[in-house]
Amino acid sequence: DAGVIQSPRHEVTEMGQEVTLRCKPISGHDYLFWYRQTMMRGLELLIYFNNNVPIDDSGMPEDRFSAKMPNASFSTLKIQPSEPRDSAVYFCASSLDLAKNIQYFGAGTRLSVL
Amino acid sequence: DQQVKQNSPSLSVQEGRISILNCDYTNSMFDYFLWYKKYPAEGPTFLISISSIKDKNEDGRFTVFLNKSAKHLSLHIVPSQPGDSAVYFCAGGSTLGRLYFGRGTQLTVWP
Repeated sequence: DAGVIQSPRHEVTEMGQEVTLRCKPISGHDYLFWYRQTMMRGLELLIYFNNNVPIDDSGMPEDRFSAKMPNASFSTLKIQPSEPRDSAVYFCASSLDLAKNIQYFGAGTRLSVL
Repeated sequence: DQQVKQNSPSLSVQEGRISILNCDYTNSMFDYFLWYKKYPAEGPTFLISISSIKDKNEDGRFTVFLNKSAKHLSLHIVPSQPGDSAVYFCAGGSTLGRLYFGRGTQLTVWP
């Protein structure tokens, strides 16, 4: 299995622009998670899906952030408009279930908003 | 509100010696814990886990100890190797919900 695939690996954009991050989970995994890693806050959960349905989006910082999962093999995290404080590494992860909850992470997208 | 805390941002250990990484948690509802390892420019990878009904789990050079009364767990690496140099994240969770991660500890193993 190729693992969790994220694109792009790096994104540099200007403040006010729309940014879309993409994720392909491991086939057969029912749960998908979006995380953000910063020096100040560490690894924080933004949102997670179960069978393509958002379950907990309490970590989404504000309305500028939105996430979708149109099918079992694809998810997007969109920031519109982007701000410099959104600069971080964004990780996508997937897991088979919550009971054992071993999550498998993608390599991440490093976002820089200038 | 950080439910999982790793109070040491960094740890430096000589090759061959023991590395001990510590983690504290506040949520008594957690029923399992995991350790992840992260290399630069890669995502975290699962290392070892422990159920709350156990106090020890061992996998090769890696052992995790859980002290529920103190709400404390630790990861022991024996012997430490230069390839173990990475950021280690502790996480706790319950079967009903999400994982909560600590901020990580940078381990450096020097020759």
